[in-house]
Formats: sequence, structure tokens, C-alpha cells
Amino acid sequence: SQTIHQWPATLVQPVGSPLSLECTVEGTSNPNLYWYRQAAGRGLQLLFYSVGIGQISSEVPQNLSASRPQDRQFILSSKKLLLSDSGFYLCAWSVEGLAGIYEQYFGPGTRLTVT
Amino acid sequence: QKEVEQDPGPLSVPEGAIVSLNCTYSNSAFQYFMWYRQYSRKGPELLMYTYSSGNKEDGRFTAQVDKSSKYISLFIRDSQPSDSATYLCAMSRLLSARQLTFGSGTQLTVLP
Repeated sequence: SQTIHQWPATLVQPVGSPLSLECTVEGTSNPNLYWYRQAAGRGLQLLFYSVGIGQISSEVPQNLSASRPQDRQFILSSKKLLLSDSGFYLCAWSVEGLAGIYEQYFGPGTRLTVT
Repeated sequence: QKEVEQDPGPLSVPEGAIVSLNCTYSNSAFQYFMWYRQYSRKGPELLMYTYSSGNKEDGRFTAQVDKSSKYISLFIRDSQPSDSATYLCAMSRLLSARQLTFGSGTQLTVLP
């Protein structure tokens, strides 16, 4: 069965510090990978998605970047964090299922607080 | 106007009640519809998906899609305290099915 891991679970970082969040998926090959941010009481905002190694699409211009160095590894980074980067970061994966639906499955999330 | 609108609640019901959660959307290109459940401080988990108008049932959960009205619903029968969570609707377009557009979520509390 497929499993998705995210770490760390919780992170407190000062403004201006760098960021690296990691996500790995087990039990599937060539998944689509996604990074979302969820603000308190809000829906999910898609930040990046990737259909393969080195292929990253950015949905929201900001000071964050993403990389996919391996098939099942997705990394979210920042060189200098802003207060507005605080939130709940979720990684997700999908593959094509029945009738062309791409069901997305989420990791446990990383709660980031920028102070 | 947001592409997907969802009543944020909060919604509070007694145990055993029938719960109705709803989303409306504006873009007729949406063809695939999903419901996610998110417990506090956890990642969302997929409950149900459908790609056609009508009803789809899974245990106590029924997903309903009305494409003509651009309206989807999730019904929970015999609600339990363990159903207390935020419910998110999500949908995708036929030609960009890899990407989902989410509603903002409805917070549900089922009181014992």
C-alpha cells in the first residue's frame, strides 16, 4: 500500500531564516506530487505540483521554491522566510485512477510558525 | 467570485442526525468531484469521489452531484461524534484532472 511521509511535523523559524520541508512517497511509481498551504480556517492553496523528476509547476508567485530530486521525493524550500509564510503545509500525491480521476492523497502536514 | 463556494459553518448537530454539507461551483468545466475529511491538525483524507450527476453511496455517506445546478452535497446519516471534523469539497476539470480546486471547508461538530 502507498504511504506518504512529511517532516518535520512542527517547525518554528525566525523571519529571514531558510526553510526545507521534505515529503516522500512509498508504494507507487511516477506519482504526481503537490505542495499545498492551508491558512487557519481556510481552504487549500496549491503552491507547486510536479509530474516528474525535475518538472515543477508554480501556481503562486512567492518566496518559496520546490524541487523533485527523485521520483518519490518532493522538497519545499525558502531562502528567507516571511511572517506570511506561516501555515499548515501539506504534501499530496496522485496517480491516474478510474475514469481519468486523479485522487489526491495527503500527508500528515507540517505546521510552520514564523516568528 | 470564488470558483468553489462552501459554507464554512461551524455546523453543530446532535448524534444520530442527518448532516448535509454543500458546495456550489461556477465553472461548468468541473467534471470530477471529491469530498475530503480533515481532523484537527491532520492532513485531509479522501472520503468519496464521483464524476457523474446523481448519487453515490458508501456506508453512512452519500455524495450527490447536480451538474445542471452546479451543486454538490455530502450527506452523513446517523452522524457520530467521530464524524466531527472539517469537510472539504474538491473538484477538477477534464483536461487538467491532476489539479484540484478546493472549497474552504465546513467545520462539523457532532454532539454526543
